[in-house]
Amino acid sequence: ETGVTQTPRHLVMGMTNKKSLKCEQHLGHNAMYWYKQSAKKPLELMFVYNFKEQTENNSVPSRFSPECPNSSHLFLHLHTLQPEDSALYLCASSQVIGETQYFGPGTRLLVL
Amino acid sequence: GEDVEQSLFLSVREGDSSVINCTYTDSSSTYLYWYKQEPGAGLQLLTYIFSNMDMKQDQRLTVLLNKKDKHLSLRIADTQTGDSAIYFCAETAGSARQLTFGSGTQLTVLP
Repeated sequence: ETGVTQTPRHLVMGMTNKKSLKCEQHLGHNAMYWYKQSAKKPLELMFVYNFKEQTENNSVPSRFSPECPNSSHLFLHLHTLQPEDSALYLCASSQVIGETQYFGPGTRLLVL
Repeated sequence: GEDVEQSLFLSVREGDSSVINCTYTDSSSTYLYWYKQEPGAGLQLLTYIFSNMDMKQDQRLTVLLNKKDKHLSLRIADTQTGDSAIYFCAETAGSARQLTFGSGTQLTVLP
């Protein structure tokens, strides 16, 4: 399944590092999402973009900075993260907001 | 508020049927979904049902929706070891029409 791809698949970073997660969708969708999946917690919606415009920020700390340069690409820029930010970060896309979401494989992030 | 609940674990024997249950609270749900997550992977959309339906069948999968009781179930017939995974129930509801997920049910298929 290559509809939604994410890179890197695994990332280890120190608390002072800056890194970026990338998501690309090949489905012609207009809405893209970032989710965080931590152990033993439900998926948490972080950000929503609709036609490149951010429509939702679920009280996410500013050390996470999203960027959506076009409807096919979504980035999550990371800086000065904390160990509790270690999680699986999932990207998803849908035709428009409210329609069926298709997920990428995720980036497993470990913050040391 | 929105809340989706699932039991955490289910074990079945290979060849038996599995039934994974989910309850939700938001009566304005429009779509309800089942996603599958295998170890180390993202979420794979299995099936979904529109809120005005009460049943949907897709090969080995049967989804039942009881809107009155706000209860959704996923039945997997002839469960195989490859079906071992975490299954997430999710709903699209509310004015923002965002997905709300349950905590997932870990299905273990025993030989």
